[in-house]
Formats: sequence, structure tokens, C-alpha cells
Amino acid sequence: AQKITQTQPGMFVQEKEAVTLDCTYDTSDPSYGLFWYKQPSSGEMIFLIYQGSYDQQNATEGRYSLNFQKARKSANLVISASQLGDSAMYFCAMRERSSYKLIFGSGTRLLVRP
Amino acid sequence: NAGVTQTPKFQVLKTGQSMTLQCAQDMNHNSMYWYRQDPGMGLRLIYYSASEGTTDKGEVPNGYNVSRLNKREFSLRLESAAPSQTSVYFCASSEALGDSFNYGYTFGSGTRLTVV
Repeated sequence: AQKITQTQPGMFVQEKEAVTLDCTYDTSDPSYGLFWYKQPSSGEMIFLIYQGSYDQQNATEGRYSLNFQKARKSANLVISASQLGDSAMYFCAMRERSSYKLIFGSGTRLLVRP
Repeated sequence: NAGVTQTPKFQVLKTGQSMTLQCAQDMNHNSMYWYRQDPGMGLRLIYYSASEGTTDKGEVPNGYNVSRLNKREFSLRLESAAPSQTSVYFCASSEALGDSFNYGYTFGSGTRLTVV
């Protein structure tokens, strides 16, 4: 069964510094997709970045990049040059090819200090 | 560009009352989902509909029923509300079908439900 684990309930980062949010996953399906979402205090879910299991390169979207280590089953989100607006909850999620279900981790609350 | 629309945004129910949460998407997506989010936790899948005419249980289906009314609409019903169902409910949709699972999932703005 698919499972997502985020072991950092909360993190602090100084403005303009980079931060890494951890995500590990478990699946027996060789084909899957990994997603990261941001949830600000207003509550909406904002899609950030996607990584496919067969993608050769790590995904990047602006200041967001995904450090994908397939053998270790990890998909860490790296935010470069943190901004105050990055303060939010961040969720890692996964969908197996064989399933229509998008399953979420418990999230990491990131606070950016000025 | 409405995306995914959920109604209502807020609701207070008494224990034992019933209600239906409505969700509609205008992106012609095939798959639709209902999640709940409890304080400090991630989203847990209640039910999903891979395509029009099909529904399946997710991680936490007990106490809920769903109806995929048509391709656009997917409703969630609480037949007899309990305090444990106090949560924020999110509807989502996706084009994801079979091999094409790298599409993003679009979420509604959520329904905050309190059961007293």
C-alpha cells in the first residue's frame, strides 16, 4: 500500500536562505507520481511541483526543486531564497499508476523569519 | 475560470443531522475526490470517483456516502453527523486517467464543518 511520511512537523528558515523539506514514500508500484502542495493560512491547496518515477532529471519550478532519490524513496522539496510569503504548510503526496488515489503526508509547517 | 466550486463554505450541524456537501468542476476532468483535513494533519481521502458512473472508498469512508451526479458534480453526504466529523472538507478534480497521472489535482476552497 502506498504511504507518505513527512517527519518534520515544523521548521524555521531565515529569509533569503534555502530550506529542504523531507518526504519519504513507500510503494510497490514501479510507476508513480510525487507532488508537493502548499497550504497558506487562508487554507487553499496550491500545487507546486511534480516528479514522475521515470523522470531522469529532478523537477524544478522557479524557486522550487525536488530532490528525487529513487533508491532511497525520498522526494525532498528544496525552496531557494526563502521569502516571508513561503510561510505555510507543505504537503507531499503520491499517486500510483495503478490507483486513482492521491495520498498525502501529514505536512510540514514552515515559518520564514525576517 | 471557476475551477472547483464547493458549497457551502461553512456549516454548523447538530449531532444526528444530515447534510450534503456539493462540489462542481468546470474543467471537464474525469476524476473527482473528497478529502477531509483535521487540525494539524494532512488530507485523508474519503471517497473518489475515477470517472463518471463510478465511486470507490478511500482511507476514511465510514459515515459518508457520495454521488457522482454527472461528469461535473460529485456530492458528499453525511447521513447522521457526529462530532468526529468536524473537519475541513476539500473536493478535488483531476484529468488523471490510467497512464496519464502526472496531471495536477485542482482543489476547491474547502468547507469548514462543525458538528456540535
